[in-house]
Amino acid sequence: DQQVKQNSPSLSVQEGRISILNCDYTNSMFDYFLWYKKYPAEGPTFLISISSIKDKNEDGRFTVFLNKSAKHLSLHIVPSQPGDSAVYFCAASGINAGGTSYGKLTFGQGTILTVHP
Amino acid sequence: KAGVTQTPRYLIKTRGQQVTLSCSPISGHRSVSWYQQTPGQGLQFLFEYFSETQRNKGNFPGRFSGRQFSNSRSEMNVSTLELGDSALYLCASSPGTSYNSPLHFGNGTRLTVT
Repeated sequence: DQQVKQNSPSLSVQEGRISILNCDYTNSMFDYFLWYKKYPAEGPTFLISISSIKDKNEDGRFTVFLNKSAKHLSLHIVPSQPGDSAVYFCAASGINAGGTSYGKLTFGQGTILTVHP
Repeated sequence: KAGVTQTPRYLIKTRGQQVTLSCSPISGHRSVSWYQQTPGQGLQFLFEYFSETQRNKGNFPGRFSGRQFSNSRSEMNVSTLELGDSALYLCASSPGTSYNSPLHFGNGTRLTVT
Protein backbone atom coordinates (compact mmCIF):
# COMPACT_ATOMS: atom_id res chain seq x y z
CA ASP A 1 0.00 0.00 0.00
CA GLN A 2 1.83 3.05 -1.27
CA GLN A 3 0.64 5.94 0.89
CA VAL A 4 2.76 8.57 -0.87
CA LYS A 5 2.92 8.53 -4.65
CA GLN A 6 4.94 10.43 -7.17
CA ASN A 7 3.38 9.41 -10.43
CA SER A 8 5.96 10.98 -12.73
CA PRO A 9 9.21 9.00 -12.73
CA SER A 10 10.97 11.77 -14.62
CA LEU A 11 10.67 15.40 -15.69
CA SER A 12 12.75 17.34 -18.19
CA VAL A 13 12.84 21.15 -18.12
CA GLN A 14 14.76 23.91 -19.86
CA GLU A 15 17.02 26.12 -17.77
CA GLY A 16 15.23 29.23 -16.56
CA ARG A 17 11.76 27.69 -16.81
CA ILE A 18 9.56 26.43 -14.00
CA SER A 19 9.82 22.86 -12.72
CA ILE A 20 6.68 21.42 -11.12
CA LEU A 21 6.96 18.17 -9.23
CA ASN A 22 3.81 16.51 -7.95
CA CYS A 23 2.97 14.19 -5.09
CA ASP A 24 -0.26 12.54 -3.90
CA TYR A 25 -0.96 10.91 -0.57
CA THR A 26 -3.72 8.70 0.72
CA ASN A 27 -3.29 8.72 4.50
CA SER A 28 -5.44 11.46 6.03
CA MET A 29 -3.36 11.29 9.23
CA PHE A 30 -0.39 12.88 7.46
CA ASP A 31 -0.03 16.50 8.55
CA TYR A 32 3.57 17.40 7.78
CA PHE A 33 5.10 17.19 4.32
CA LEU A 34 8.63 17.57 3.07
CA TRP A 35 10.63 17.61 -0.13
CA TYR A 36 14.13 16.20 -0.39
CA LYS A 37 16.67 16.31 -3.20
CA LYS A 38 19.10 13.46 -3.76
CA TYR A 39 22.24 13.33 -5.85
CA PRO A 40 23.83 9.97 -6.70
CA ALA A 41 26.04 8.56 -3.95
CA GLU A 42 24.73 11.11 -1.43
CA GLY A 43 21.98 11.06 1.15
CA PRO A 44 18.74 13.02 0.67
CA THR A 45 19.06 16.74 1.35
CA PHE A 46 16.13 18.56 2.95
CA LEU A 47 14.69 21.30 0.74
CA ILE A 48 11.43 22.61 2.16
CA SER A 49 8.51 21.52 4.29
CA ILE A 50 4.92 22.47 4.94
CA SER A 51 2.52 21.86 7.78
CA SER A 52 -1.10 20.97 7.08
CA ILE A 53 -2.25 24.25 8.63
CA LYS A 54 -0.75 26.06 5.64
CA ASP A 55 -1.34 25.77 1.92
CA LYS A 56 1.87 27.39 0.71
CA ASN A 57 5.45 27.77 1.87
CA GLU A 58 8.26 29.56 0.06
CA ASP A 59 12.01 29.44 0.40
CA GLY A 60 13.93 31.25 -2.31
CA ARG A 61 13.38 29.53 -5.63
CA PHE A 62 11.38 26.73 -4.00
CA THR A 63 7.66 26.85 -3.21
CA VAL A 64 5.57 24.00 -1.91
CA PHE A 65 1.79 24.01 -2.32
CA LEU A 66 -0.54 21.79 -0.32
CA ASN A 67 -4.12 20.95 -1.31
CA LYS A 68 -5.51 18.98 1.62
CA SER A 69 -8.89 18.27 0.07
CA ALA A 70 -7.21 16.69 -2.94
CA LYS A 71 -4.44 15.13 -0.82
CA HIS A 72 -1.95 16.63 -3.23
CA LEU A 73 1.21 18.64 -2.91
CA SER A 74 3.57 20.11 -5.44
CA LEU A 75 7.03 21.63 -5.50
CA HIS A 76 7.70 24.55 -7.81
CA ILE A 77 11.26 25.50 -8.69
CA VAL A 78 11.62 28.89 -10.36
CA PRO A 79 13.84 29.49 -12.21
CA SER A 80 15.22 26.01 -12.78
CA GLN A 81 19.00 25.63 -12.96
CA PRO A 82 21.15 22.76 -14.27
CA GLY A 83 22.39 22.18 -10.71
CA ASP A 84 18.82 21.31 -9.73
CA SER A 85 19.11 18.09 -11.73
CA ALA A 86 18.62 15.34 -9.16
CA VAL A 87 16.04 12.91 -7.79
CA TYR A 88 13.30 14.65 -5.80
CA PHE A 89 11.45 12.82 -3.06
CA CYS A 90 8.21 13.81 -1.46
CA ALA A 91 7.77 12.62 2.15
CA ALA A 92 5.03 12.77 4.75
CA SER A 93 4.69 12.40 8.49
CA GLY A 94 1.83 12.17 10.94
CA ILE A 95 0.60 10.38 14.02
CA ASN A 96 0.35 6.73 13.12
CA ALA A 97 -1.81 4.02 14.52
CA GLY A 98 0.72 3.37 17.26
CA GLY A 99 0.41 6.94 18.47
CA THR A 100 3.90 8.00 17.55
CA SER A 101 5.60 9.21 14.43
CA TYR A 102 9.02 10.20 15.64
CA GLY A 103 11.67 9.76 13.01
CA LYS A 104 9.31 8.13 10.55
CA LEU A 105 8.82 9.65 7.14
CA THR A 106 6.88 7.89 4.41
CA PHE A 107 8.55 8.57 1.08
CA GLY A 108 7.35 8.60 -2.50
CA GLN A 109 9.32 6.73 -5.15
CA GLY A 110 11.01 9.87 -6.44
CA THR A 111 11.03 11.94 -9.62
CA ILE A 112 14.18 12.40 -11.65
CA LEU A 113 14.45 16.06 -12.65
CA THR A 114 16.73 16.97 -15.53
CA VAL A 115 17.32 20.67 -16.26
CA HIS A 116 18.85 21.28 -19.67
CA PRO A 117 21.10 24.32 -20.26
CA LYS B 1 28.14 22.40 11.97
CA ALA B 2 29.21 18.95 10.84
CA GLY B 3 26.54 16.87 9.19
CA VAL B 4 25.45 13.31 9.84
CA THR B 5 28.38 10.94 9.46
CA GLN B 6 27.99 7.29 8.52
CA THR B 7 30.70 4.66 8.48
CA PRO B 8 31.74 2.71 6.57
CA ARG B 9 30.61 4.02 3.16
CA TYR B 10 30.79 0.61 1.53
CA LEU B 11 30.58 -2.94 2.84
CA ILE B 12 30.63 -6.33 1.17
CA LYS B 13 29.43 -9.27 3.23
CA THR B 14 28.55 -12.89 2.63
CA ARG B 15 25.12 -14.37 3.15
CA GLY B 16 24.71 -15.56 6.73
CA GLN B 17 27.17 -13.09 8.23
CA GLN B 18 26.24 -10.16 10.43
CA VAL B 19 27.10 -6.49 9.99
CA THR B 20 27.21 -3.34 12.12
CA LEU B 21 26.79 0.14 10.70
CA SER B 22 27.60 3.34 12.55
CA CYS B 23 26.06 6.79 12.59
CA SER B 24 27.09 10.04 14.29
CA PRO B 25 24.28 12.62 14.35
CA ILE B 26 24.52 16.37 14.00
CA SER B 27 25.79 17.87 17.23
CA GLY B 28 22.88 18.55 19.56
CA HIS B 29 20.50 16.19 17.81
CA ARG B 30 19.22 13.47 20.09
CA SER B 31 17.09 11.50 17.63
CA VAL B 32 18.58 9.06 15.14
CA SER B 33 16.51 7.24 12.53
CA TRP B 34 17.55 4.50 10.13
CA TYR B 35 16.24 3.88 6.63
CA GLN B 36 16.80 1.27 3.96
CA GLN B 37 16.78 2.30 0.31
CA THR B 38 16.38 -0.28 -2.45
CA PRO B 39 15.40 0.16 -6.11
CA GLY B 40 12.23 -1.87 -5.63
CA GLN B 41 10.93 -0.62 -2.28
CA GLY B 42 12.35 2.89 -2.18
CA LEU B 43 13.15 4.50 1.16
CA GLN B 44 11.73 2.55 4.08
CA PHE B 45 11.83 3.36 7.78
CA LEU B 46 13.62 0.88 10.02
CA PHE B 47 13.56 2.44 13.52
CA GLU B 48 14.19 5.56 15.54
CA TYR B 49 16.13 6.09 18.76
CA PHE B 50 15.99 8.96 21.22
CA SER B 51 17.92 9.15 24.49
CA GLU B 52 19.10 5.57 24.09
CA THR B 53 15.54 4.25 23.73
CA GLN B 54 13.80 2.94 20.64
CA ARG B 55 10.72 5.10 20.20
CA ASN B 56 9.46 3.94 16.85
CA LYS B 57 9.88 0.90 14.68
CA GLY B 58 9.09 0.00 11.06
CA ASN B 59 8.05 -3.32 9.58
CA PHE B 60 11.35 -5.12 9.38
CA PRO B 61 12.23 -8.55 10.79
CA GLY B 62 14.00 -8.92 14.09
CA ARG B 63 17.30 -9.52 12.29
CA PHE B 64 17.48 -5.74 12.06
CA SER B 65 18.32 -4.12 15.36
CA GLY B 66 19.87 -0.95 16.62
CA ARG B 67 21.05 0.90 19.65
CA GLN B 68 21.94 4.39 20.69
CA PHE B 69 24.66 5.51 23.02
CA SER B 70 24.65 8.28 25.61
CA ASN B 71 26.43 10.62 23.16
CA SER B 72 23.53 10.03 20.66
CA ARG B 73 25.71 8.04 18.28
CA SER B 74 23.86 5.02 16.94
CA GLU B 75 24.63 1.64 15.49
CA MET B 76 22.51 -0.65 13.38
CA ASN B 77 23.07 -4.38 13.24
CA VAL B 78 21.81 -6.88 10.71
CA SER B 79 22.26 -10.54 11.58
CA THR B 80 22.10 -13.59 9.31
CA LEU B 81 22.41 -11.51 6.18
CA GLU B 82 20.31 -12.36 3.16
CA LEU B 83 20.86 -11.38 -0.46
CA GLY B 84 17.81 -9.11 -0.22
CA ASP B 85 19.50 -7.04 2.48
CA SER B 86 21.72 -5.49 -0.18
CA ALA B 87 20.77 -1.83 -0.03
CA LEU B 88 21.80 1.69 0.84
CA TYR B 89 21.32 2.20 4.58
CA LEU B 90 20.72 5.80 5.56
CA CYS B 91 20.88 7.37 8.95
CA ALA B 92 19.12 10.64 9.76
CA SER B 93 19.13 12.89 12.79
CA SER B 94 16.86 15.55 14.22
CA PRO B 95 16.43 17.32 17.55
CA GLY B 96 13.78 14.72 18.35
CA THR B 97 11.42 16.90 20.35
CA SER B 98 8.74 17.03 17.65
CA TYR B 99 7.84 14.83 14.73
CA ASN B 100 7.21 18.03 12.74
CA SER B 101 10.84 18.73 12.05
CA PRO B 102 12.94 17.70 9.06
CA LEU B 103 15.34 14.80 9.22
CA HIS B 104 18.91 15.40 8.11
CA PHE B 105 20.46 12.45 6.35
CA GLY B 106 23.98 11.13 6.08
CA ASN B 107 25.44 9.82 2.83
CA GLY B 108 24.68 6.25 3.71
CA THR B 109 26.41 2.89 3.85
CA ARG B 110 26.16 0.79 0.70
CA LEU B 111 25.85 -2.85 1.79
CA THR B 112 26.32 -5.63 -0.74
CA VAL B 113 25.53 -9.19 0.30
CA THR B 114 26.97 -11.94 -1.88
